[in-house]
Amino acid sequence: GAGVSQSPSNKVTEKGKDVELRCDPISGHTALYWYRQSLGQGLEFLIYFQGNSAPDKSGLPSDRFSAERTGGSVSTLTIQRTQQEDSAVYLCASSLGGQRSYGYTFGSGTRLTVV
Amino acid sequence: LAKTTQPISMDSYEGQEVNITCSHNNIATNDYITWYQQFPSQGPRFIIQGYKTKVTNEVASLFIPADRKSSTLSLPRVSLSDTAVYYCLVGLESGTYKYIFGTGTRLKVLA
Repeated sequence: GAGVSQSPSNKVTEKGKDVELRCDPISGHTALYWYRQSLGQGLEFLIYFQGNSAPDKSGLPSDRFSAERTGGSVSTLTIQRTQQEDSAVYLCASSLGGQRSYGYTFGSGTRLTVV
Repeated sequence: LAKTTQPISMDSYEGQEVNITCSHNNIATNDYITWYQQFPSQGPRFIIQGYKTKVTNEVASLFIPADRKSSTLSLPRVSLSDTAVYYCLVGLESGTYKYIFGTGTRLKVLA
């Protein structure tokens, strides 16, 4: 696609439920990143994919969070047993490669609200 | 804990030049410095990127001193539409892909 697409754009879920957030990166972009942005806060790194593998999962806040990427394209971020502190905007970005010289293109994010 | 820091907020008037500095004492060797702009309810948007000295594009300039422990984004002649949050992005750990965003600077441009 022309840009990074994320779905859903908004998600309201009850505490304790599982949620899946989807990211469709720009075609041909091999690197994919997930970040989290809490209300009024900066961007917190969650995980990075190069192709289908995730060399850096160090940012995942707990074992309730997991992510996968298939076919070197679409990625899914799953949050199990959601908690109210998980409420945030989850942003996905892709780039041509993992090299630091490449800039990211971000999606518009998924706003997750846990009630 | 290694991190980047920026001023929390800045105010400016239309037509003025704005300089926003990011401090990144522990930047990884051979890493680039990138700046992003974010409007409410949108993802960050790439502005400019550099490794050292000065880089200029159609919207901004980026100044990086020789020690690379900081960088300054310069926006010439800002307009109301430049009101946004500005983030620097650097890698702080060589050999990893952990890119850390700065704390963000909320720029408000006044008429």
